[in-house]
Amino acid sequence: AQSVSQHNHHVILSEAASLELGCNYSYGGTVNLFWYVQYPGQHLQLLLKYFSGDPLVKGIKGFEAEFIKSKFSFNLRKPSVQWSDTAEYFCAVTSPYGNNRLAFGKGNQVVVIP
Amino acid sequence: EAQVTQNPRYLITVTGKKLTVTCSQNMNHEYMSWYRQDPGLGLRQIYYSMNVEVTDKGDVPEGYKVSRKEKRNFPLILESPSPNQTSLYFCASSPSAKPGHEQFFGPGTRLTVL
Repeated sequence: AQSVSQHNHHVILSEAASLELGCNYSYGGTVNLFWYVQYPGQHLQLLLKYFSGDPLVKGIKGFEAEFIKSKFSFNLRKPSVQWSDTAEYFCAVTSPYGNNRLAFGKGNQVVVIP
Repeated sequence: EAQVTQNPRYLITVTGKKLTVTCSQNMNHEYMSWYRQDPGLGLRQIYYSMNVEVTDKGDVPEGYKVSRKEKRNFPLILESPSPNQTSLYFCASSPSAKPGHEQFFGPGTRLTVL
């Protein structure tokens, strides 16, 4: 079964700082990768996803992620964060040979200080 | 508006009192799923359904039941709730059971079992 690791569960940074959240997965085969965001009191929303092709994926709100197959990683980045980026971020993975079951990481709680 | 709805949004109950959390989607999606979210554990899948009358266990199915009699509805049933089922529950749906399709999440149901 897949497992997903996210490090630095709590991240605090100032507006305009750069953000990078790490995500590593354990599944050795081909995977589909996702980053979801959960704003305070809201449901999960998709930030971006990778299925195939260009390993650098651009998502909504200025986020991007890079798939590095050799490192089993799918790190999320944003060059300059805003206060409105305060949220919890979840990395998730599915196997393309499975049943669309998402395996989630434990999440990163990001707080942006104005 | 395309959406996944859940009811109730908040529920406080007592041990052993049967309850049902409803989930409905208006997007004609085949795939539906229930997750629970606990601090520090991320989201874990409880049950999923590939289509009408087709359901299967996820990672943490103990203490839960589901049914899928209609395409749009996927209720979560707790026959005899216990305090360890206190959690935040999310329903999700996806166009297809084929892996990799984005899952759309409902607003969540916060359940407290005393």
